[in-house]
Amino acid sequence: QVQLVQSGAEVKQSGASVKVSCKASGYTFTGYYMHWVRQAPGQGLEWMGWINTNSGDTNYAQDFQGRVTMTRDTSINTAYMELSRLRSDDTAVYYCARYLPVVDYFDHWGQGALVTVSS
Amino acid sequence: QSVLTQPPSVSGAPGQRVTISCTGGSSNIGAGYDVHWYQQLPGTAPKLVIYEFSNRPSGVPDRFSGSKSGTSASLAITGLQAEDEADYYCQSYDSSLSGYVFGTGTKVTVL
Repeated sequence: QVQLVQSGAEVKQSGASVKVSCKASGYTFTGYYMHWVRQAPGQGLEWMGWINTNSGDTNYAQDFQGRVTMTRDTSINTAYMELSRLRSDDTAVYYCARYLPVVDYFDHWGQGALVTVSS
Repeated sequence: QSVLTQPPSVSGAPGQRVTISCTGGSSNIGAGYDVHWYQQLPGTAPKLVIYEFSNRPSGVPDRFSGSKSGTSASLAITGLQAEDEADYYCQSYDSSLSGYVFGTGTKVTVL
């Protein structure tokens, strides 16, 4: 069965960087894009961007351009999202979500990784 | 601020029908992009319940249905059950933003 297992919770200082991983299993990793979505405490869902796990091409939401980097390691079926210059309002649960280009919805999600930014 | 607007909350008694609206504009739903719906139970990741306006993934009860009208979409839950109490989000693509967008979210409460 399809599984997306994310890394654990992190606490970071303001100004630091965080890198969250998402390990995929149960399907052909390079056959799907991986998107990243975040959710601040008590708030809604916010799309951050995607990575084509086959080519490595990326597309980032305007609000995150210059601060976010999405990468992947096809040898271990893992996608990564790194966010730099962290601020207190980056405190959120970060989700990875699988996406098939011929449709435009997210059919499987990781369990989420809580990132807390302290000043 | 999301470009897809949903009511903050809806409620209903067990067995009743509730509907959630998702209002967009000319650069998303009105431009022909599909709408999908996700259910988020407390403390868990979102789960796809409706895709392409009205299709149900395998395993989703037929109590869930979706529709489209102009620049809006709707999710209906008939025969409401206690386990349906959750947050619901619509999602589409926006050509002005060149990215994916989620609705503001709706909390469904079972009375």
